[in-house]
Amino acid sequence: AQSVTQPDIHITVSEGASLELRCNYSYGATPYLFWYVQSPGQGLQLLLKYFSGDTLVQGIKGFEAEFKRSQSSFNLRKPSVHWSDAAEYFCAQGASGTYKYIFGTGTRLKVLA
Amino acid sequence: GAGVSQSPRYKVAKRGQDVALRCDPISGHVSLFWYQQALGQGPEFLTYFQNEAQLDKSGLPSDRFFAERPEGSVSTLKIQRTQQEDSAVYLCASSNGRKGGAFFGQGTRLTVV
Repeated sequence: AQSVTQPDIHITVSEGASLELRCNYSYGATPYLFWYVQSPGQGLQLLLKYFSGDTLVQGIKGFEAEFKRSQSSFNLRKPSVHWSDAAEYFCAQGASGTYKYIFGTGTRLKVLA
Repeated sequence: GAGVSQSPRYKVAKRGQDVALRCDPISGHVSLFWYQQALGQGPEFLTYFQNEAQLDKSGLPSDRFFAERPEGSVSTLKIQRTQQEDSAVYLCASSNGRKGGAFFGQGTRLTVV
């Protein structure tokens, strides 16, 4: 079965530091990949998406992600984290043969002042 | 509307009670999804509609769960004879194509007591 793995349950960084959140997907062909952010009590907001072309994609709020087929990864990055980035981040994949999206279990980001 | 709207935001139900959760998708979006998010987990797929047709209901956990989208716009997720394990956040999302990703509402937090 297709799956999305986010190896880090919690990550803590200092404000202004760089950030990388890891995501590995299971489907072999070029997948549709997404990163979402969820603040407490809120729904999920789409940060960025990838389905073809340039493997480095830019998103909202200064985030970017890089698709690496050889590593089955789609890691999210930000050069300088702001306190308002504290939230839960979910990686998702468009499932092959269906229209549904498969989500990872999420990484909770804490930002230290 | 501007975004996906869900109501109610919060629902407390006594065990055994029936509940109905409403989703108003982004205008013109053909695809509509329901997801269930347990505390500390990623969203889990429940069901998918393309217009009024329910094309995938493989994620519905039991026959107590029923979803409909009779006119291809607003959707309702109904849970009959609620159980404590049904307590979760129910997220609705709509999409205009796989590559674009899904846009989520704020969710309905259901608590069964």
